[in-house]
Amino acid sequence: VIWMTQSPSLLSASTGDRVTISCRMSQGISSYLAWYQQKPGKAPELLISAASTLQSGVPSRFSGSGSGTDFTLTISCLQSEDFATYYCQQYYSFPLTFGGGTKVEIK
Amino acid sequence: EVQLVQSGAEVKKPGESLKISCKGSGYSFTSYWIGWVRQMPGKGLEWMGIIYPGDSDTRYSPSFQGQVTISADKSISTAYLQWSSLKASDTAMYYCARLPYCSSTSCFNFDYWGQGTLVTVSS
Repeated sequence: VIWMTQSPSLLSASTGDRVTISCRMSQGISSYLAWYQQKPGKAPELLISAASTLQSGVPSRFSGSGSGTDFTLTISCLQSEDFATYYCQQYYSFPLTFGGGTKVEIK
Repeated sequence: EVQLVQSGAEVKKPGESLKISCKGSGYSFTSYWIGWVRQMPGKGLEWMGIIYPGDSDTRYSPSFQGQVTISADKSISTAYLQWSSLKASDTAMYYCARLPYCSSTSCFNFDYWGQGTLVTVSS
């Protein structure tokens, strides 16, 4: 099993801030990592696949980087609609696993 | 437009059985995998298992093997998640989601998600 450590679990920020969320793997996964955004009462939505490939329709203020064991999701200029919970997910091997989530809240 | 539409919320008693559904549309249902993901109240996401509706090839997470059954009826583009005997700890939101590809060792990421089915198990 590949264990994932996502940090921080809670991030307080203001509109316009640059925020960074980290996801660390217990073993290397190349670039087989996705990021999802989940708003309260809604299903998760795919933001980024293959560690850095932005999905169609996702604003360019979102970016992903990393490979191997360390990955980062960056939001360059936080907007009001970005306050949500973010999850990383590895798809290098079964069982598919998710990070514990990072809730981005308004400071 | 790709859509996964899940069945409605359920309230059940411990020991009862349940089957929830996920209907796909807007794409070739038999050419993509469907996965199920659990989210317990206030908690994170947990992968339960996957099925390939084209031939009903099924894989389970070790955490859920033997606890649930995943199936599909390709004639009506619908995947299912079922329990034979519910427990209070099965109370959660359950999501189905599409995966473009899976191999014997892993899958691609989930690309489209259903709206979720809330299952409440209480005496």
